Amino acid sequence: AIWMTQSPSLLSASTGDRVTISCRMSQGISSYLAWYQQKPGKAPELLIYAASTLQSGVPSRFSGSGSGTDFTLTISCLQSEDFATYYCQQYYSFPYTFGQGTKLEIK
Amino acid sequence: EVQLVESGGGLVQPGGSLRLSCAASGFTFSSYWMSWVRQAPGKGLEWVANIKQDGSEKYYVDSVKGRFTISRDNAKNSLYLQMNSLRAEDTAVYYCARPHRRLVRYDAFDIWGQGTMVTVSS
Repeated sequence: AIWMTQSPSLLSASTGDRVTISCRMSQGISSYLAWYQQKPGKAPELLIYAASTLQSGVPSRFSGSGSGTDFTLTISCLQSEDFATYYCQQYYSFPYTFGQGTKLEIK
Repeated sequence: EVQLVESGGGLVQPGGSLRLSCAASGFTFSSYWMSWVRQAPGKGLEWVANIKQDGSEKYYVDSVKGRFTISRDNAKNSLYLQMNSLRAEDTAVYYCARPHRRLVRYDAFDIWGQGTMVTVSS
């Protein structure tokens, strides 16, 4: 299985801030990486796929970068609705694996 | 509207069985690989199983192999997860999920159901 290390696990920020979340793979996965946002009691929502492609309807303040083993999700100019938990996921091979999650909280 | 609706969750004793269902609508179900993903209370996401469009290929996370079976009925636009020999660690919300692109084996999930809770406890 491909293991991933997502960091940080907790991120405190203020509205208007720019934040970055990282995901590192145990082996190269090309660009087979997705980022999801999850709010309490809700299903995850796809933000970015193929490492850097924005899902339809997702605000442009979200962006993704990286390939191989190191990936980054950046949220520029945080809005109140962005405070949630974020997960990375590799879909390069089965078993699919998810990062441990990053809880983005209001400072 | 593209939609996935899970059902069948509930309270079951350790060692018991449960069958989850996922009703799909608004898209050509038979053209997509389909998946189950779970989330234990307060924990992260864990992929559970995938099934090919025609049911000829199935993949599972190691922790459920030999106990869970994924299946589908394309005529009924439905996905299933038969769970046997349930353990306390199987307690989770179970989500049905659809990949972003039709006919593609490896893909991100762009459509998720609302989830159904499975609690394994005596």
